[in-house]
Amino acid sequence: ELKVEQNPLFLSMQEEKNYTIYCNYSTTSDRLYWYRQDPGKSLESLFVLLSNGAVKQEGRLMASLDTKARLSTLHITAAVHDLSATYFCAVEANSNYQLIWGAGTKLIIKP
Amino acid sequence: DVKVTQSSRYLVKRTGEKVFLECVQDMDHENMFWYRQDPGLGLRLIYFSYDVKMKEKGDIPEGYSVSREKKERFSLILESASTNQTSMYLCASRVSSYNSPLHFGNGTRLTVT
Repeated sequence: ELKVEQNPLFLSMQEEKNYTIYCNYSTTSDRLYWYRQDPGKSLESLFVLLSNGAVKQEGRLMASLDTKARLSTLHITAAVHDLSATYFCAVEANSNYQLIWGAGTKLIIKP
Repeated sequence: DVKVTQSSRYLVKRTGEKVFLECVQDMDHENMFWYRQDPGLGLRLIYFSYDVKMKEKGDIPEGYSVSREKKERFSLILESASTNQTSMYLCASRVSSYNSPLHFGNGTRLTVT
């Protein structure tokens, strides 16, 4: 059974600091997605990672995928308040159309 | 831009009522999904459909059914609403490809009293 674990589940940090969210998964997959959810809103796709070593960057966010370690990271550089949200990773099972979701990391960035 | 539209943003229903949640997407996507989201439990898949008239159970299908008569529309039906079905319901769609992200609707917050 494919399981996806995110950590930390909650992160409170100061602006201008750097931090990393981790997404571990339990079985073979080379397709991993990162989403953002603002309070009371729906989910927005951030990154699609499709192969070992894939790295994607958008502004202060950078995501990477290590399929051998079954690990993806979402790195936040010089955080700003606007990045406060809940971040989810999701891994695609190889055999069907389903995504398996992490529990989400609630990120609060204080001015 | 892909648009996934859920018919209601907020809904309040009584226990035992039959409830219909509608979802429409405008990008000719083959795959459509219904999730529920609850605090501390993340997203849980109720049903998905990979084509018209096709449906597959997700992780928590009990108490729910779905209908996909047209490609653009995927309906979630609560046959007899119960208080434990109070939740945020999210519809999503994507092209039939392992490489494409899901596009989500704005969600329907359902309260069953």
